[in-house]
Amino acid sequence: RKEVEQDPGPFNVPEGATVAFNCTYSNSASQSFFWYRQDCRKEPKLLMSVYSSGNEDGRFTAQLNRASQYISLLIRDSKLSDSATYLCVVNGYTGNQFYFGTGTSLTVIP
Amino acid sequence: GAVVSQHPSWVICKSGTSVKIECRSLDFQATTMFWYRQFPKQSLMLMATSNEGSKATYEQGVEKDKFLINHASLTLSTLTVTSAHPEDSSFYICSARGGASGLSYEQYFGPGTRLTVT
Repeated sequence: RKEVEQDPGPFNVPEGATVAFNCTYSNSASQSFFWYRQDCRKEPKLLMSVYSSGNEDGRFTAQLNRASQYISLLIRDSKLSDSATYLCVVNGYTGNQFYFGTGTSLTVIP
Repeated sequence: GAVVSQHPSWVICKSGTSVKIECRSLDFQATTMFWYRQFPKQSLMLMATSNEGSKATYEQGVEKDKFLINHASLTLSTLTVTSAHPEDSSFYICSARGGASGLSYEQYFGPGTRLTVT
């Protein structure tokens, strides 16, 4: 079983729509969780860390569900510029282990 | 803050030659740096983890004699692809993780180096 699993998509949504991605992880001892955004042929950029209590940054909301071992990312009022691949990253219990999902591709359509 | 640079951004080399890629943390001290490789339409694959002043830890299947990693200082790590072959052509990305509060578990990525071996 993979350490981190994501639905690769693609998700094609109209501008203004709300879209949600989920990511499951296998190691219950995982400590830290992140969402990164990667544009085509570019490096991943940190979008947001995911805290136990959930956190929101503008149109983006991240949630962590430890019981079910998944994290989610909600994007409201999608913009064309949100089109990218969203990577779920989970940090293992030793601190130096980072596991990446394969990414979820999002295309926002005008 | 938390800027990571890579050099070169793009390199083309002939088969059999060696290529060195530099990764620098510009505004923080990186206790740990990671090297990844990404093939088209695939996810990042961790190659190795390096801590300043110690030997790198390589992931299974990654040849340590082929991919030489040196983490000589808290702001610089280098990856040397020795005797490169066309199958080594890929996008190589480094990331750095600082030890300071607020940066301890987040990775910041360099812009990547696109290697093409002809």
